[in-house]
Amino acid sequence: DAKTTQPPSMDCAEGRAANLPCNHSTISGNEYVYWYRQIHSQGPQYIIHGLKNNETNEMASLIITEDRKSSTLILPHATLRDTAVYYCIVRVAREYGNKLVFGAGTILRVKS
Amino acid sequence: DGGITQSPKYLFRKEGQNVTLSCEQNLNHDAMYWYRQDPGQGLRLIYYSQIVNDFQKGDIAEGYSVSREKKESFPLTVTSAQKNPTAFYLCASSIGGTHQHFGDGTRLSIL
Repeated sequence: DAKTTQPPSMDCAEGRAANLPCNHSTISGNEYVYWYRQIHSQGPQYIIHGLKNNETNEMASLIITEDRKSSTLILPHATLRDTAVYYCIVRVAREYGNKLVFGAGTILRVKS
Repeated sequence: DGGITQSPKYLFRKEGQNVTLSCEQNLNHDAMYWYRQDPGQGLRLIYYSQIVNDFQKGDIAEGYSVSREKKESFPLTVTSAQKNPTAFYLCASSIGGTHQHFGDGTRLSIL
């Protein structure tokens, strides 16, 4: 699986958009970009994933650059409950036993 | 509501003792996984199972054992052979290799 690089931490004001970047310059053509988050002492929570088109769901939007070497997770209106560690993961989808390789992630602190 | 239930939330083990962590899911998922997370670290795969009565070792299987007798259940036993068992243990499930759903974890400590 391709390696990802994320900033170690970010702050965001409550109610503003949180934009979390991720670099994955060695991504392969069949690898998807997945985002998870982990709130302290809980299990990771799936947020969104995409291959090359931008994706949106009820939680977030995922913007993938045309060359697919980087992406941005957007939380449109961050709340205090969005404070968590956010993980960007690149992996081949639909492959049994394909473990999730979590790096250090980005600690997002939403402040009032 | 469908989900994954891990129990207990906190578990204490004495030296030389085996302990079993429970993981149950009612999502009708075929695949189930066990991960270990140490403080400030990412997740490491212990075991995974694609189907009932079948399971595969992950990256750090030594000192652990699993069973998959029912689709809904994937218990993890931490044996006395695991010399550094103190960690946060996470169970997950998925439909095939799609995104994984996680339980809220079991925190294991050594007395």
